[in-house]
Amino acid sequence: QQQVKQSPQSLIVQKGGISIINCAYENTAFDYFPWYQQFPGKGPALLIAIRPDVSEKKEGRFTISFNKSAKQFSLHIMDSQPGDSATYFCAALGGGADGLTFGKGTHLIIQP
Amino acid sequence: DAGVTQSPTHLIKTRGQQVTLRCSPISGHKSVSWYQQVLGQGPQFIFQYYEKEERGRGNFPDRFSARQFPNYSSELNVNALLLGDSALYLCASSWGRVGNSPLHFGNGTRLTVT
Repeated sequence: QQQVKQSPQSLIVQKGGISIINCAYENTAFDYFPWYQQFPGKGPALLIAIRPDVSEKKEGRFTISFNKSAKQFSLHIMDSQPGDSATYFCAALGGGADGLTFGKGTHLIIQP
Repeated sequence: DAGVTQSPTHLIKTRGQQVTLRCSPISGHKSVSWYQQVLGQGPQFIFQYYEKEERGRGNFPDRFSARQFPNYSSELNVNALLLGDSALYLCASSWGRVGNSPLHFGNGTRLTVT
């Protein structure tokens, strides 16, 4: 049972373009939605997180858009750079659970 | 500042053996969580410990156990290893309960079961 569905599985974007990764969740008790970035051989690193009381959060080139009624949230990476090439994971927490539920990940490649 | 440190970085075990993985959290962090990441998948929650008590457990069999020590370091034990236990085991720490404070991950222990 996959509670957080992430798409696309892989994504290729030109340098300077906008990278968009989408996630959908089923559990309406989720109340914390972080995004993680993972490079090969490294652990995931927290990028940005949002709670359902706001529809958008921006930190530098990274923006989370949140649609509570549709139970969807997305990560936008503006002015994408080759150094952004990594695997990105969305996650969710809530409903009394003590651990994050992760999506399956998106392998992002930024072409120079 | 040192991040979350895990040891060993790589480990090869045989089916049926037992393994112990170790984690040192960021200084000042009182919560440690363990996740299993199979190649090509997102991490899956195994355990959370906060103030040395188990606060949550994911959908893993009883072969998996963990504990947190007075200095907040932690060990994950897996008994009767199966081929399917081959994965990257990630430890993460936070100063408080997950959701109230951000999770910081270590670089993991790569376990291979042959």
